Amino acid sequence: AQSVTQLGSHVSVSEGALVLLRCNYSSSVPPYLFWYVQYPNQGLQLLLKYTSAATLVKGINGFEAEFKKSETSFHLTKPSAHMSDAAEYFCAVSQGTDKLIFGTGTRLQVFP
Amino acid sequence: DADVTQTPRNRITKTGKRIMLECSQTKGHDRMYWYRQDPGLGLRLIYYSFDVKDINKGEISDGYSVSRQAQAKFSLSLESAIPNQTALYFCATSDRVRNTDTQYFGPGTRLTVL
Repeated sequence: AQSVTQLGSHVSVSEGALVLLRCNYSSSVPPYLFWYVQYPNQGLQLLLKYTSAATLVKGINGFEAEFKKSETSFHLTKPSAHMSDAAEYFCAVSQGTDKLIFGTGTRLQVFP
Repeated sequence: DADVTQTPRNRITKTGKRIMLECSQTKGHDRMYWYRQDPGLGLRLIYYSFDVKDINKGEISDGYSVSRQAQAKFSLSLESAIPNQTALYFCATSDRVRNTDTQYFGPGTRLTVL
């Protein structure tokens, strides 16, 4: 069965600091992996996705994630946090079945 | 204009009432989904539909029913609402042929059951 673990329900960084949000997955077959962002009072918006092409995936707003099969990880990073990055971030996995399994989310706070 | 719309955006109701949440999409996608979001639990799948005649239960379907009235419309019903169904509900769509499982979400409906 597939599963997703997001380490840290809350992450706080200073503006300009590195953002690192962790995601580990469990899948019996090569997965598709996604990061979604949810801004306050809004729906989820796709940040980026991995679908077995390049292992380093670049997304919107300067975010990127690296697929590491040996570590079963798909951590999300951004070199320099901006105040507008404050949101909740969800990692999700699928096996090409159109059914996504979501992690429990990580709330990112950015301090000036 | 939004591609995936949900109505109502907010609803307060009482225990035992029947409630319908509606979702419409203009993306032309064949697949539609209903999720609920609870703090600390992420999103959990309630029902999904791969086309008008194909409806499937998700992880937490008890207490819910759905109707796919057309390719563009997918409604979620709570036959007899209870307080633990208080949550944020999201509709999503995907296009199996083109989008490699990518789902596109509506803005959500915040439901409170008193």
